[in-house]
Amino acid sequence: DQQVKQNSPSLSVQEGRISILNCDYTNSMFDYFLWYKKYPAEGPTFLISISSIKDKNEDGRFTVFLNKSAKHLSLHIVPSQPGDSAVYFCAASDRDKIIFGKGTRLHILP
Amino acid sequence: GAGVSQSPSNKVTEKGKDVELRCDPISGHTALYWYRQRLGQGLEFLIYFQGNSAPDKSGLPSDRFSAERTGESVSTLTIQRTQQEDSAVYLCASSPMTGSAEAFFGQGTRLTVV
Repeated sequence: DQQVKQNSPSLSVQEGRISILNCDYTNSMFDYFLWYKKYPAEGPTFLISISSIKDKNEDGRFTVFLNKSAKHLSLHIVPSQPGDSAVYFCAASDRDKIIFGKGTRLHILP
Repeated sequence: GAGVSQSPSNKVTEKGKDVELRCDPISGHTALYWYRQRLGQGLEFLIYFQGNSAPDKSGLPSDRFSAERTGESVSTLTIQRTQQEDSAVYLCASSPMTGSAEAFFGQGTRLTVV
């Protein structure tokens, strides 16, 4: 039973455009949500997070939106750059373990 | 060290042998996680240590898997009688648990069972 779902295994976006990565969750007890970025042969690196009491958090080109009623969050990257090509993992925490989604591979096209 | 350190970085073992994977977390981090990533799959939770509390072992796939942590330092993940389906990258992460849940990952150990 997947508690954190990323339904798009891959996404291609033109350089300079907006990339939108989506994530759904099932456990209403999650109180913290995170996005991680992973390059090949490296461990995941933390990108941005949001507390369940907020609906938006912005950090430079990255913005995470949380819709608690829909149990949905999204990561917006704008403008997309070639170095953004990576696998992005959505994760959720209930102050105990962190549960990850399967990831979305983002390709930024020149 | 500055980050989470895992050793070895690569391990090839014969089916049926035992393996031990090591994780050195960031100093002062009370929480430590082990995850597994099989080829083409997401991050699969295995086990979680938090301070002196009993570990959450709910993600361990079988009784061939076990993990230990000494205080708030090094952790070892042991896989007994390895099987080919155990082949994966094993990732360790640590977290300060200061209110945010951000975890910092090591580079992982790539385990290949032949």
